Amino acid sequence: QLQLQESGPGLVKPSETLSLTCTVSGDSISSSPYLWGWIRQPPGKGLEWIGSFRYSGTTYYNPSLVSRVTISVDTSKTQFSLKLSSVTAADTAVYFCARHQDNYCSTSTPCAFHIWGQGTMVTVSS
Amino acid sequence: EVVLTQSPDTLSLSPGERATLSCRASQSVRSYLAWYQQKPGQAPRLLIYDASNRATGIPARFSGSGSGTDFTLTISSLEPEDFAVYYCQQRYSWPPLTFGGGTRVDIK
Repeated sequence: QLQLQESGPGLVKPSETLSLTCTVSGDSISSSPYLWGWIRQPPGKGLEWIGSFRYSGTTYYNPSLVSRVTISVDTSKTQFSLKLSSVTAADTAVYFCARHQDNYCSTSTPCAFHIWGQGTMVTVSS
Repeated sequence: EVVLTQSPDTLSLSPGERATLSCRASQSVRSYLAWYQQKPGQAPRLLIYDASNRATGIPARFSGSGSGTDFTLTISSLEPEDFAVYYCQQRYSWPPLTFGGGTRVDIK
């Protein structure tokens, strides 16, 4: 059974780089046609997509964050990471990793964020 | 960017009542819209994908409809576990993938 688990520091200082890892178990990141992504949710607010990648090499970022965000995959194919630079208090949020896809949709593999990690809270504060 | 506007912000209903939630897109997203349920301290849970398809394991009391710019999530008879926040999300025009602001369904 596919499971995703976020990990990383819970506290980051302003102007520094936030770094998180998503560990995937029960499947390989190289499996197609999946996309693997990051979504965040500030306290008491809604969801914001940060970015996603296909193992084949294409990475997509939210234009509002593109200048500060990098998503990459570990060569083990069991982890992928998020780096967000020059953080401010506005980046304080719960960060989720998730799997989705945009083609070959089916009931068992729907074209939406189907599998989510539990989320990890990151606070930006000095 | 496709902006999704959900209404109402809050819906106060009693168990057994019917809930009707709306999601309006700033431009057509065809049928490429999903609905999620989120409870406090939990990740969102996929309910409906491509406007009207229930995800695996989702009870039949949840249904989705609509296409183009206007979509509806209906819960036919609210169960106690259905009181939560609901989000819509489009995948037709991206990046960016976008979510609506959410509708909270409260116990009246």
